[in-house]
Amino acid sequence: QVHLVQSGAEVKKPGASVKVSCKASGYTFTTYYIHWVRQAPGQGLEWMGIINPSGGSVKYAQKFQGRVTMTRDTSTSTVYMDLSSLRSEDTGVYFCARGPYGAYNWFDPWGQGTLVTVSS
Amino acid sequence: QSALTQPASVSGSPGQSITISCTGTSSDVGGYNYVSWYQQHPGKAPKLMIYEVSTRPSGVSNRFSGSKSGNTASLTISGLQAEDEADYYCSSYTSSVTLVFGTGTKVTVL
Repeated sequence: QVHLVQSGAEVKKPGASVKVSCKASGYTFTTYYIHWVRQAPGQGLEWMGIINPSGGSVKYAQKFQGRVTMTRDTSTSTVYMDLSSLRSEDTGVYFCARGPYGAYNWFDPWGQGTLVTVSS
Repeated sequence: QSALTQPASVSGSPGQSITISCTGTSSDVGGYNYVSWYQQHPGKAPKLMIYEVSTRPSGVSNRFSGSKSGNTASLTISGLQAEDEADYYCSSYTSSVTLVFGTGTKVTVL
């Protein structure tokens, strides 16, 4: 059974960075892309970017360019999302989700989500 | 990239059918058959319900169906049930080689 398990909730001060992990299991890690999606409190879903676990190539949404870094560790089947220069508007739940290799298409399954709170 | 436009809310009685629209442009919804739909219950992660406009993943009820006409995609839920009450989001591939979500629709079962 395919699972994506994310790291726990974080509380950060404005200006700090946060690193969220997403550990995959139940399939061959390098044969699917991983996406990151954000959901602010009471708001909709927002696509942040994608990483190809096979070669490590990434594509970020323009809104997050320069502040987000997505990396992977193939030895542990884990993907990481690092967001820097945090501000209060970055508060929300961050999801990782699996997508098909070679296409920006569907997301399935999703991780359980990681709540990041940015507050002074 | 602007979010795709969905109605804020749609409601129906048990057993009825409802349709949720998702309107974009020729650079996203209208240009590709990479439209998918997600169901999200409060406090939970989204769940894939439809992909590639009209394909249902294994395990998803056949009461859910998808279609597209021009720049607008639609999700229809037939035989509405209490457990269908949730938020629904569409998503589309874009010409900028990115993905964009819809604004989300709250479905209420009366």
